[in-house]
Amino acid sequence: DSGVTQTPKHLITATGQRVTLRCSPRSGDLSVYWYQQSLDQGLQFLIQYYNGEERAKGNILERFSAQQFPDLHSELNLSSLELGDSALYFCASSVANGPEATEAFFGQGTRLTVV
Amino acid sequence: LAKTTQPISMDSYEGQEVNITCSHNNIATNDYITWYQQFPSQGPRFIIQGYKTKVTNEVASLFIPADRKSSTLSLPRVSLSDTAVYYCLVVRSGGYQKVTFGTGTKLQVIP
Repeated sequence: DSGVTQTPKHLITATGQRVTLRCSPRSGDLSVYWYQQSLDQGLQFLIQYYNGEERAKGNILERFSAQQFPDLHSELNLSSLELGDSALYFCASSVANGPEATEAFFGQGTRLTVV
Repeated sequence: LAKTTQPISMDSYEGQEVNITCSHNNIATNDYITWYQQFPSQGPRFIIQGYKTKVTNEVASLFIPADRKSSTLSLPRVSLSDTAVYYCLVVRSGGYQKVTFGTGTKLQVIP
C-alpha cells in the first residue's frame, strides 16, 4: 500500500459527460501529480500541484482541469469526454521540498471507460 | 529533462540475473536516475535511485558510469513475479515536475 488513495477505482461514462477523479496523497506529501496511461502506453504527465498551487503542466487537454484543496487532496476534472479519453488515470504524491529528488508514490489508479 | 532510451522488451529465465540498460545522454548536473516497476493495472512502484557510481538496495542494484550518460538496473535471480514493465527516468532534484514515463522495458521471466 503506497498510502495514496484514488477514488473511484472504475468509472464508466458516456461521451460528452463530465467526471471527477479524486486523490488523497500520502500524509505529509505536499506535491500531487496526475498521469494518464492509455492502453499499452507509458504514463503521460498531465499536471502537478504543490501545496495548493499549480507547479507544472504537461500535455493536459483544455477539457481537463485539476485543483488541490487546503487539505492537500486533489481532484482531476474531465469534461466533454471522448472515446479517446478512456485510460488509466494515476495520481502520485511526493514530499518534493528538499534539494534531493524524492520518490513518488502512486495510487492504484482510476480506470475510466468512455462509451 | 533528459530523454531516456531503453529496450522495449527482454526475456529471462527464472533464477538468472537481468540487466536493463538505459541511455540518457543529455542528463544534467542536478538530475537523478530513477527506476520504477509497474505491474498490469497497478501504479508504478519505486525501485531504486542513484546519482553516480553504484547503489544497491534489497531488490536491485543500479550502476552509473562516471559520465552518467547511461545506467544499468540489475535484478539478481529473477522470479516469475518480476515479470513487469521497468521504467528508467531522469528526475530533477526537488521533484517530479514534468517527468514522463516512456514505454519502458517489458521484462518477461520464463520458468
